[in-house]
Amino acid sequence: GAGVSQSPRYKVTKRGQDVALRCDPISGHVSLYWYRQALGQGPEFLTYFNYEAQQDKSGLPNDRFSAERPEGSISTLTIQRTEQRDSAMYRCASSFLGGSGTDTQYFGPGTRLTVL
Amino acid sequence: QQQVKQSPQSLIVQKGGISIINCAYENTAFDYFPWYQQFPGKGPALLIAIRPDVSEKKEGRFTISFNKSAKQFSLHIMDSQPGDSATYFCAASLSGTYKYIFGTGTRLKVLA
Repeated sequence: GAGVSQSPRYKVTKRGQDVALRCDPISGHVSLYWYRQALGQGPEFLTYFNYEAQQDKSGLPNDRFSAERPEGSISTLTIQRTEQRDSAMYRCASSFLGGSGTDTQYFGPGTRLTVL
Repeated sequence: QQQVKQSPQSLIVQKGGISIINCAYENTAFDYFPWYQQFPGKGPALLIAIRPDVSEKKEGRFTISFNKSAKQFSLHIMDSQPGDSATYFCAASLSGTYKYIFGTGTRLKVLA
């Protein structure tokens, strides 16, 4: 069956440009998470959606980062005015239920963002 | 206090040997501890998980040992195989939340 998909897989952009990263969760999964993973580090939580509601955005580094999930399925993470320090792997995960750590999170392959 | 410390950073084991990866935490409000396995080019995938009310959980060749008093937990891979070569992440989540705090990862290489 189809897992979590993300696009693009690789994105190279110039400093100051805006980028939009897409996540397509497993069909029927209520919860969607965005993580950022620096090289040699574990994933770091960015934001969480329950259906279309963004219930936690405490991990977003600053107001250049935003995310939406308007119809409760596909989500987009947008980074405005990108900076070199934004370069990282951005991962999306989804889970069937939500609100509990015991609900298995299924991760996508990630988008590798490089800001020149 | 929100950190999960993982060691070693990398590990090389002979085929058939035992691989051991350790994690430690400070926050006693963590109540769920999953281990994720990540192959190159892929996202992390849940391998095995434990709650602090048990001291050990075994699934096939993979065992989690949990020491609540020491606030430590470890992953043991018995009879390690070259196909186990991957990066392993421990994680912890706070009681009643979905938020995972991940360790820094251990790159395991099993020699044929």
